[in-house]
Amino acid sequence: DQQVKQNSPSLSVQEGRISILNCDYTNSMFDYFLWYKKYPAEGPTFLISISSIKDKNEDGRFTVFLNKSAKHLSLHIVPSQPGDSAVYFCAASAHAGGTSYGKLTFGQGTILTVHP
Amino acid sequence: GAVVSQHPSRVICKSGTSVKIECRSLDFQATTMFWYRQFPKKSLMLMATSNEGSKATYEQGVEKDKFLINHASLTLSTLTVTSAHPEDSSFYICSARDIGGPSDTQYFGPGTRLTVL
Repeated sequence: DQQVKQNSPSLSVQEGRISILNCDYTNSMFDYFLWYKKYPAEGPTFLISISSIKDKNEDGRFTVFLNKSAKHLSLHIVPSQPGDSAVYFCAASAHAGGTSYGKLTFGQGTILTVHP
Repeated sequence: GAVVSQHPSRVICKSGTSVKIECRSLDFQATTMFWYRQFPKKSLMLMATSNEGSKATYEQGVEKDKFLINHASLTLSTLTVTSAHPEDSSFYICSARDIGGPSDTQYFGPGTRLTVL
């Protein structure tokens, strides 16, 4: 049961253009969402997060949009740079307490390649 | 950002031996740490939640007697793979939740590559 899905396994973008990475979720209890960037043989690096009380959060070149009714979030990177090439994971957690508190559920990841 | 370290970064061992992996939060306190396993070209799979001062909570299908977790302090959690076998070879990653920071976010260690011969 894949509660967090990233349906695009890969994305290729030209340097300077916008990269849009998408993520869908099914569990309505999720109320906190994060994006991580990961290089091979390294741990994920936190990029940006958003709480369910917001629909947008921006940090420099990174913006995360949340559409709760559609259970969809996206990460926009603009302008894209070759150094952004990595695997991007979206993750979700529920803060309603109980045994699932704080646990992250990850999507499958999207490989972003930014061409010079 | 918050820093989490893991040691060792890489370990090769013989089948039947036990391997201990340490996870430390370097600049914040973490009452909760998490242990993940990543298979090649797959997402991160949560193995267990490590709570300081109490027993770890294991995910379904994860053998608690095989993967021993100890969270002895607010900055250290250890994962011991007991009687390791080749199928335990994987990339193990820990994370620590910084509840004292501006957002309730997990910060990940660099990972440990375990190879069991």
